[in-house]
Amino acid sequence: QSALTQPASVSGSPGQSITISCTGTSSDVGGYNYVSWYQQHPNKAPKLMIYDVSNRPSGVSNRFSGSKSGNTASLTISGLQAEDEADYHCASYTSSSTMLFGGGTKLTVL
Amino acid sequence: EVQLVESGGGLVQPGGSLKLSCAASGFTFSGSAMHWVRQASGKGLEWVGHIRSKPNSYATAYAASVKGRFTISRDDSENTAYLQMDSLKTEDTAVYYCTRPQGVNSGSYYVAWGQGTLVTVSS
Repeated sequence: QSALTQPASVSGSPGQSITISCTGTSSDVGGYNYVSWYQQHPNKAPKLMIYDVSNRPSGVSNRFSGSKSGNTASLTISGLQAEDEADYHCASYTSSSTMLFGGGTKLTVL
Repeated sequence: EVQLVESGGGLVQPGGSLKLSCAASGFTFSGSAMHWVRQASGKGLEWVGHIRSKPNSYATAYAASVKGRFTISRDDSENTAYLQMDSLKTEDTAVYYCTRPQGVNSGSYYVAWGQGTLVTVSS
């Protein structure tokens, strides 16, 4: 299976909103509501930010939200803050009962 | 508090073997599947494989890139998961994370990650 497709980079100014897309197929993103998003700061382990497309774990800011349409999932960060600068990875459960990740997106806060 | 601590990484020659360990605490290890995920330097995350719990017959699954070379096992009495890596290739060079999944079947999202252990395959 090929990796899910994410933009290599996105950027935004403090206070703005940005959206990161994650495109797969009907065998993964489009077939299940099991998309998750992870934030990763340099040299740190990833951290779960969104699960099951749009659910936020306890402790994650409500500035982070997720959605899905067809084979594309999206992560939106509103009210950008400097500490949001990080890499973001999407992942999806697949029809093979395995997991598939995207290539990652580097978010720069200008 | 959930803790996952990987160990066993290091430098190994192409064709060699290495066994990683993941010591877990803070949750009922025996009832949880465990996954391994890796990340080459500057690259995205890559799912490596998983092992399910005893009620699910300790079933395993692997990414195509490692199938037949890597083996995941577990010792529930020691709360530890393992990743045996054989016939290593230079492209296996990466930081390896163990993860605790939740969600459907074998797990559909990762609620906890270890700190990672670096495996370098080079002559």
